[in-house]
Amino acid sequence: EAGVAQSPRYKIIEKRQSVAFWCNPISGHATLYWYQQILGQGPKLLIQFQNNGVVDDSQLPKDRFSAERLKGVDSTLKIQPAKLEDSAVYLCASSLSGTGGYGYTFGSGTRLTVV
Amino acid sequence: GENVEQHPSTLSVQEGDSAVIKCTYSDSASNYFPWYKQELGKGPQLIIDIRSNVGEKKDQRIAVTLNKTAKHFSLHITETQPEDSAVYFCAASKAGNQFYFGTGTSLTVIP
Repeated sequence: EAGVAQSPRYKIIEKRQSVAFWCNPISGHATLYWYQQILGQGPKLLIQFQNNGVVDDSQLPKDRFSAERLKGVDSTLKIQPAKLEDSAVYLCASSLSGTGGYGYTFGSGTRLTVV
Repeated sequence: GENVEQHPSTLSVQEGDSAVIKCTYSDSASNYFPWYKQELGKGPQLIIDIRSNVGEKKDQRIAVTLNKTAKHFSLHITETQPEDSAVYFCAASKAGNQFYFGTGTSLTVIP
Protein backbone atom coordinates (compact mmCIF):
# COMPACT_ATOMS: atom_id res chain seq x y z
CA GLU A 1 0.00 0.00 0.00
CA ALA A 2 1.43 3.35 -0.99
CA GLY A 3 1.84 5.82 1.85
CA VAL A 4 0.89 9.47 2.14
CA ALA A 5 2.81 11.43 -0.48
CA GLN A 6 3.92 15.01 0.10
CA SER A 7 5.86 17.48 -1.99
CA PRO A 8 8.11 19.30 -2.02
CA ARG A 9 10.37 17.79 0.65
CA TYR A 10 12.11 21.09 1.33
CA LYS A 11 11.37 24.72 0.59
CA ILE A 12 13.25 27.89 1.42
CA ILE A 13 11.51 31.22 0.86
CA GLU A 14 11.88 34.79 1.96
CA LYS A 15 9.41 36.33 4.36
CA ARG A 16 6.33 37.83 2.70
CA GLN A 17 6.59 35.36 -0.18
CA SER A 18 3.97 32.70 -0.78
CA VAL A 19 4.36 28.92 -0.77
CA ALA A 20 2.19 25.89 -1.43
CA PHE A 21 2.44 22.29 -0.27
CA TRP A 22 0.79 19.28 -1.83
CA CYS A 23 -0.51 16.06 -0.27
CA ASN A 24 -1.83 12.86 -1.79
CA PRO A 25 -3.42 10.64 0.88
CA ILE A 26 -3.67 6.88 0.96
CA SER A 27 -6.24 5.66 -1.51
CA GLY A 28 -9.65 5.36 0.09
CA HIS A 29 -8.85 7.52 3.09
CA ALA A 30 -11.67 10.02 3.40
CA THR A 31 -10.13 12.04 6.22
CA LEU A 32 -7.09 14.24 5.65
CA TYR A 33 -5.19 16.36 8.14
CA TRP A 34 -2.52 19.04 7.94
CA TYR A 35 -0.26 19.41 10.97
CA GLN A 36 2.46 21.97 11.70
CA GLN A 37 5.52 20.71 13.59
CA ILE A 38 7.84 23.40 14.89
CA LEU A 39 11.34 22.22 15.74
CA GLY A 40 11.43 20.53 19.14
CA GLN A 41 7.66 20.31 19.47
CA GLY A 42 4.93 17.81 18.72
CA PRO A 43 2.75 18.24 15.64
CA LYS A 44 -0.26 20.56 15.97
CA LEU A 45 -3.36 20.29 13.84
CA LEU A 46 -4.00 23.07 11.34
CA ILE A 47 -6.99 21.69 9.47
CA GLN A 48 -9.01 18.48 9.08
CA PHE A 49 -10.98 17.51 5.97
CA GLN A 50 -13.67 14.87 5.62
CA ASN A 51 -13.82 14.14 1.89
CA ASN A 52 -13.74 17.69 0.46
CA GLY A 53 -15.40 19.39 3.42
CA VAL A 54 -13.66 21.11 6.32
CA VAL A 55 -14.30 19.45 9.71
CA ASP A 56 -12.01 21.56 11.89
CA ASP A 57 -9.95 24.61 10.96
CA SER A 58 -10.07 26.33 14.32
CA GLN A 59 -6.26 26.41 14.62
CA LEU A 60 -5.55 27.57 11.08
CA PRO A 61 -4.26 31.18 10.91
CA LYS A 62 -6.78 32.12 8.27
CA ASP A 63 -5.29 35.54 7.59
CA ARG A 64 -2.34 33.86 5.89
CA PHE A 65 -3.02 30.12 5.62
CA SER A 66 -5.51 28.45 3.32
CA ALA A 67 -6.15 24.85 2.36
CA GLU A 68 -8.37 23.03 -0.06
CA ARG A 69 -9.16 19.47 -0.94
CA LEU A 70 -10.78 19.39 -4.31
CA LYS A 71 -12.61 16.21 -5.29
CA GLY A 72 -11.95 14.76 -1.86
CA VAL A 73 -8.52 13.37 -2.73
CA ASP A 74 -5.40 15.56 -3.04
CA SER A 75 -4.98 18.61 -0.87
CA THR A 76 -2.92 21.79 -1.00
CA LEU A 77 -1.91 24.03 1.88
CA LYS A 78 -0.89 27.59 1.08
CA ILE A 79 0.81 30.30 3.09
CA GLN A 80 0.62 33.89 1.87
CA PRO A 81 2.47 35.92 3.00
CA ALA A 82 4.95 33.80 4.97
CA LYS A 83 6.44 34.94 8.26
CA LEU A 84 9.64 33.82 9.95
CA GLU A 85 7.62 31.93 12.59
CA ASP A 86 6.09 29.75 9.87
CA SER A 87 9.38 27.87 9.61
CA ALA A 88 8.39 24.31 10.47
CA VAL A 89 7.69 20.88 9.04
CA TYR A 90 4.22 20.60 7.54
CA LEU A 91 2.87 17.10 7.88
CA CYS A 92 -0.07 15.62 6.05
CA ALA A 93 -1.90 12.61 7.47
CA SER A 94 -4.86 10.57 6.34
CA SER A 95 -7.17 7.99 7.87
CA LEU A 96 -10.21 5.90 7.17
CA SER A 97 -13.37 7.51 8.47
CA GLY A 98 -15.15 6.21 11.49
CA THR A 99 -12.40 3.80 12.46
CA GLY A 100 -11.31 5.47 15.64
CA GLY A 101 -7.77 5.98 14.44
CA TYR A 102 -7.05 2.81 12.50
CA GLY A 103 -4.80 3.45 9.55
CA TYR A 104 -3.93 6.99 10.63
CA THR A 105 -0.77 7.54 8.59
CA PHE A 106 1.60 10.48 8.27
CA GLY A 107 3.58 11.56 5.26
CA SER A 108 7.26 12.50 5.49
CA GLY A 109 6.45 16.20 5.57
CA THR A 110 7.64 19.37 3.89
CA ARG A 111 10.33 21.29 5.73
CA LEU A 112 9.76 25.04 5.26
CA THR A 113 12.43 27.57 6.08
CA VAL A 114 11.46 31.24 5.94
CA VAL A 115 14.42 33.63 5.84
CA GLY B 1 -9.06 21.42 24.50
CA GLU B 2 -6.87 18.47 25.35
CA ASN B 3 -3.45 19.01 26.93
CA VAL B 4 -0.85 16.25 26.76
CA GLU B 5 2.32 16.42 28.80
CA GLN B 6 5.28 14.12 28.16
CA HIS B 7 8.35 13.29 30.24
CA PRO B 8 11.27 13.10 30.06
CA SER B 9 12.29 15.32 27.17
CA THR B 10 15.55 13.43 26.73
CA LEU B 11 16.50 9.92 27.77
CA SER B 12 19.77 8.03 27.41
CA VAL B 13 20.02 4.32 28.14
CA GLN B 14 22.61 1.61 27.66
CA GLU B 15 21.90 -0.94 24.97
CA GLY B 16 19.89 -3.77 26.47
CA ASP B 17 18.36 -1.67 29.23
CA SER B 18 14.72 -0.61 29.38
CA ALA B 19 13.30 2.81 28.57
CA VAL B 20 10.10 4.30 29.95
CA ILE B 21 8.34 7.41 28.69
CA LYS B 22 5.33 8.84 30.49
CA CYS B 23 2.43 11.01 29.35
CA THR B 24 -0.54 12.59 31.04
CA TYR B 25 -3.67 13.95 29.42
CA SER B 26 -6.39 16.29 30.61
CA ASP B 27 -9.57 15.39 28.73
CA SER B 28 -11.31 12.39 30.26
CA ALA B 29 -13.22 11.92 26.97
CA SER B 30 -10.02 10.98 25.13
CA ASN B 31 -10.17 7.30 24.29
CA TYR B 32 -7.35 6.56 21.87
CA PHE B 33 -3.66 6.85 22.71
CA PRO B 34 -1.08 6.17 20.01
CA TRP B 35 2.70 6.33 20.28
CA TYR B 36 4.80 7.52 17.38
CA LYS B 37 8.48 7.18 16.56
CA GLN B 38 10.01 9.93 14.47
CA GLU B 39 13.42 9.59 12.88
CA LEU B 40 15.31 12.53 11.47
CA GLY B 41 13.75 13.84 8.29
CA LYS B 42 10.81 11.48 8.42
CA GLY B 43 7.18 11.68 9.43
CA PRO B 44 5.93 10.09 12.65
CA GLN B 45 5.49 6.32 12.43
CA LEU B 46 2.94 4.54 14.61
CA ILE B 47 4.61 1.97 16.86
CA ILE B 48 1.82 0.99 19.22
CA ASP B 49 -1.55 2.27 20.37
CA ILE B 50 -4.06 1.60 23.10
CA ARG B 51 -7.74 2.31 23.53
CA SER B 52 -9.47 3.31 26.72
CA ASN B 53 -11.13 -0.07 27.23
CA VAL B 54 -7.73 -1.74 27.62
CA GLY B 55 -5.20 -1.32 30.41
CA GLU B 56 -2.12 -2.75 28.75
CA LYS B 57 -0.95 -3.79 25.31
CA LYS B 58 2.28 -5.44 24.26
CA ASP B 59 4.00 -5.95 20.94
CA GLN B 60 7.34 -7.76 21.19
CA ARG B 61 9.73 -5.37 22.98
CA ILE B 62 7.22 -2.53 23.19
CA ALA B 63 4.37 -2.18 25.67
CA VAL B 64 1.95 0.56 26.59
CA THR B 65 0.00 0.90 29.83
CA LEU B 66 -3.00 3.14 30.45
CA ASN B 67 -4.44 4.36 33.74
CA LYS B 68 -7.74 6.08 32.92
CA THR B 69 -8.41 7.13 36.48
CA ALA B 70 -5.12 8.98 36.76
CA LYS B 71 -5.21 10.01 33.10
CA HIS B 72 -1.74 8.82 32.30
CA PHE B 73 -0.18 6.33 29.93
CA SER B 74 3.34 5.05 29.46
CA LEU B 75 5.55 3.52 26.79
CA HIS B 76 7.94 0.75 27.81
CA ILE B 77 10.74 -0.43 25.55
CA THR B 78 12.69 -3.44 26.76
CA GLU B 79 16.06 -4.73 25.54
CA THR B 80 16.76 -1.46 23.79
CA GLN B 81 18.83 -1.45 20.62
CA PRO B 82 20.70 1.39 18.88
CA GLU B 83 18.03 1.49 16.17
CA ASP B 84 15.50 2.46 18.84
CA SER B 85 17.21 5.86 19.01
CA ALA B 86 14.69 8.45 17.78
CA VAL B 87 12.16 10.98 19.04
CA TYR B 88 9.02 9.43 20.52
CA PHE B 89 5.69 11.22 20.74
CA CYS B 90 2.61 10.26 22.66
CA ALA B 91 -0.80 11.50 21.58
CA ALA B 92 -4.38 11.52 22.79
CA SER B 93 -7.50 11.57 20.70
CA LYS B 94 -11.25 11.25 20.83
CA ALA B 95 -12.41 8.60 18.41
CA GLY B 96 -9.22 8.89 16.37
CA ASN B 97 -9.88 12.37 15.05
CA GLN B 98 -7.54 15.22 15.88
CA PHE B 99 -4.42 14.01 17.70
CA TYR B 100 -3.03 16.11 20.54
CA PHE B 101 0.67 15.38 20.77
CA GLY B 102 3.10 15.56 23.65
CA THR B 103 6.32 17.52 23.25
CA GLY B 104 8.42 14.48 22.44
CA THR B 105 11.19 12.42 24.07
CA SER B 106 14.56 12.13 22.40
CA LEU B 107 15.78 8.61 23.16
CA THR B 108 19.43 7.72 22.72
CA VAL B 109 20.53 4.11 23.08
CA ILE B 110 24.24 3.90 23.78
CA PRO B 111 25.94 0.83 22.30
